[in-house]
Amino acid sequence: NAGVTQTPKFQVLKTGQSMTLQCAQDMNHEYMSWYRQDPGMGLRLIHYSVGAGITDQGEVPNGYNVSRSTTEDFPLRLLSAAPSQTSVYFCASSYGRRAGNTIYFGEGSWLTVV
Amino acid sequence: GEDVEQSLFLSVREGDSSVINCTYTDSSSTYLYWYKQEPGAGLQLLTYIFSNMDMKQDQRLTVLLNKKDKHLSLRIADTQTGDSAIYFCAEYTGKLIFGQGTTLQVKP
Repeated sequence: NAGVTQTPKFQVLKTGQSMTLQCAQDMNHEYMSWYRQDPGMGLRLIHYSVGAGITDQGEVPNGYNVSRSTTEDFPLRLLSAAPSQTSVYFCASSYGRRAGNTIYFGEGSWLTVV
Repeated sequence: GEDVEQSLFLSVREGDSSVINCTYTDSSSTYLYWYKQEPGAGLQLLTYIFSNMDMKQDQRLTVLLNKKDKHLSLRIADTQTGDSAIYFCAEYTGKLIFGQGTTLQVKP
């Protein structure tokens, strides 16, 4: 049981490049989400999904796309990276929206946009 | 709207108790959480409390919830240097909303 796996752990991008942060969970969780963490701002929700084929925007969705073609995977795409997207990104999953006490986080992906 | 506020910094001496406070605005929160983040690491769930509870104790950790005032606190008894980290409170209303995090500094 690997839990929530994020890749890559570290990435440096040039402005304008695109990339995908991968997130996978093997717990058959319905609910998955992406957060970004910036100093002094806590974690902010980017996008979330309540099941395969369903996604919705969080607090800071601009510049990011997501898809949920399978229950296991929830990739986060940066279409044209900007320095403002330099951050630490966390993927999270839980069994359902009511099971709030079983939210699992990945270890984080450190992204630098130069 | 949803908003979670925390003070940014707390410094205590080893062996003292630490109390980290948090306020939230959404009264429909079902669960409230405390997470710990050590430098360069991910988020570790410390404890949580369901919204119909007032208090929860888990070894050195005590969570107090005042639902009327929308105030949550985390008390760490006998604080150790290994407790130095950033502590996040979060409310769950169908999605997790986090506070800014409180940096706890423990002095020997």
